[in-house]
Amino acid sequence: GENVEQHPSTLSVQEGDSAVIKCTYSDSASNYFPWYKQELGKGPQLIIDIRSNVGEKKDQRIAVTLNKTAKHFSLHITETQPEDSAVYFCAASRVGTSYDKVIFGPGTSLSVIP
Amino acid sequence: GAVVSQHPSWVICKSGTSVKIECRSLDFQATTMFWYRQFPKQSLMLMATSNEGSKATYEQGVEKDKFLINHASLTLSTLTVTSAHPEDSSFYICSATEIRGGYTFGSGTRLTVV
Repeated sequence: GENVEQHPSTLSVQEGDSAVIKCTYSDSASNYFPWYKQELGKGPQLIIDIRSNVGEKKDQRIAVTLNKTAKHFSLHITETQPEDSAVYFCAASRVGTSYDKVIFGPGTSLSVIP
Repeated sequence: GAVVSQHPSWVICKSGTSVKIECRSLDFQATTMFWYRQFPKQSLMLMATSNEGSKATYEQGVEKDKFLINHASLTLSTLTVTSAHPEDSSFYICSATEIRGGYTFGSGTRLTVV
């Protein structure tokens, strides 16, 4: 089955700096890679996603890159703000005519220091 | 956007009793729902996948007789933790998919068994 690894497990950055979180996946059939932000005591919230037919996607301060050959994908947050502090999860799934289960990485706890 | 309502948000129960958690898709028909469990400072671990009108598919190591899942309609899935014990204390999160695509997560249920 699919296995998703994520690094680093914790990340501290100064406000205004950039944060990068990297993930790898094992199942070459995976074609959908969402990123979630989870605040304490809440469910995960989708912040950005990318499909395997795209190499990069950007939404304001957030961008995701995908290297299908290497099975790597990364989240980039620029101009970080204190409210970006949370746990971030990468995930992988197969989508087509239906949506398969989402397998999560272990998470990255991001702290943005004012 | 798509909204998934999960109820209750938290529950405390005595050891040996059963607890039911509801997951509703409010503005879409959820063909598939997923149930996850999350221990403190850990990632979301998939417990089972349920499709409307059919039996749930449980992940390896998840006791199907202990965690009863019912997906009787396209907008409602329930997870019942039977004969709960302190080690079942965890954060339970549901997720739903729809034809338009994507996964929407509920806000989670904090279960504490005393």
